[in-house]
Amino acid sequence: GAGVSQSPSNKVTEKGKDVELRCDPISGHTALYWYRQRLGQGLEFLIYFQGNSAPDKSGLPSDRFSAERTGESVSTLTIQRTQQEDSAVYLCASSLWPEFNSPLHFGNGTRLTVT
Amino acid sequence: AQRVTQPEKLLSVFKGAPVELKCNYSYSGSPELFWYVQYSRQRLQLLLRHISRESIKGFTADLNKGETSFHLKKPFAQEEDSAMYYCALKTGANNLFFGTGTRLTVIP
Repeated sequence: GAGVSQSPSNKVTEKGKDVELRCDPISGHTALYWYRQRLGQGLEFLIYFQGNSAPDKSGLPSDRFSAERTGESVSTLTIQRTQQEDSAVYLCASSLWPEFNSPLHFGNGTRLTVT
Repeated sequence: AQRVTQPEKLLSVFKGAPVELKCNYSYSGSPELFWYVQYSRQRLQLLLRHISRESIKGFTADLNKGETSFHLKKPFAQEEDSAMYYCALKTGANNLFFGTGTRLTVIP
């Protein structure tokens, strides 16, 4: 079946512009996560959506970052006024039942380059 | 606050040698730990979880609460084990936090 899909796969933008990254989770997955991976670094948690609960936004690095999710479907991560330090691979993952340790299924990521 | 530490960024071993990838955690609650792996040109995927006490591809990991560790071990490394390995901690809120990863290279 289809896995987690992220678009675009690559995005080059100028400093100061806004970007929107999209994640299509696996159908029926209640949980959705966004992570950031800078070059040579590990996965940095950004935000977590679980069903209709309030999202855990504790990982968002600044107020330039925001994310939305409609129900249990698509999520968009928006970065306003991009900076060069925002350059990274942004990974999305979804999970069926995190409370029962269902594994995370990752997308291929969006590679963002801010020039 | 929770924290996952993988002290080795790079690890190289010869084929057939034992391998151990270290992971230490810090968490005030009851920990649930996982290992994820990313092979070349593939997506990040679950390798194993401590709660299942399973062996996957010859790898095992034991949760040691006294040492707050969850090291990944394999007695005889294979070339196909070369990959990036991430240790992850799940919190009571079902959030998942990752370490910085260890790149394992198995030398033929």
